[in-house]
Amino acid sequence: GESVGLHLPTLSVQEGDNSIINCAYSNSASDYFIWYKQESGKGPQFIIDIRSNMDKRQGQRVTVLLNKTVKHLSLQIAATQPGDSAVYFCAENGNNQGGKLIFGQGTELSVKP
Amino acid sequence: NAGVTQTPKFQVLKTGQSMTLQCAQDMNHNSMYWYRQDPGMGLRLIYYSASEGTTDKGEVPNGYNVSRLNKREFSLRLESAAPSQTSVYFCASIGVRGGDFNEQFFGPGTRLTVL
Repeated sequence: GESVGLHLPTLSVQEGDNSIINCAYSNSASDYFIWYKQESGKGPQFIIDIRSNMDKRQGQRVTVLLNKTVKHLSLQIAATQPGDSAVYFCAENGNNQGGKLIFGQGTELSVKP
Repeated sequence: NAGVTQTPKFQVLKTGQSMTLQCAQDMNHNSMYWYRQDPGMGLRLIYYSASEGTTDKGEVPNGYNVSRLNKREFSLRLESAAPSQTSVYFCASIGVRGGDFNEQFFGPGTRLTVL
């Protein structure tokens, strides 16, 4: 079936370095992608999103890249801070799926001071 | 503006017991969702409600029922709890943010253990 998966389950970076979290998706009809951050004991928190008619979208310290050719999504966090430590999920919304999201497994980001 | 609220925060049930998880949002959103999250995994959609009066099954609906009581409230019911339903349950609502982008707002979760 269709699924969204992550290449790396854990990622450890030094404070101040840039982080890159990757995600693969299999539904070529998906037209909307979201990155979420989930801290321990809390619900997912929206970070940034992108539509399939875009290749790149930037937010504050975060950038999402979409490569539709290889069905790959990445989240780049600039100057990673200890407060960025969390589990990051990508999610995709299939075309005309009424807002339903399919979540990937998640990548745990650990930032070392 | 409290966003999405869920009650209870924690619950322990015995196999076969029933309970209802409550969810409410004060953002006037049309669409609401129930997800479950198992350890080390992403969220899986149980049921959703695109608008008041409508509900639809998600990926894992078996063993659950839902009620969209009004625009604000969307409840999830376990009629006969099973240990496989031990999980963290998240409610979410979806609203439009900037043009045609949607944003899902999640509640804090209900941690359910079925013994």
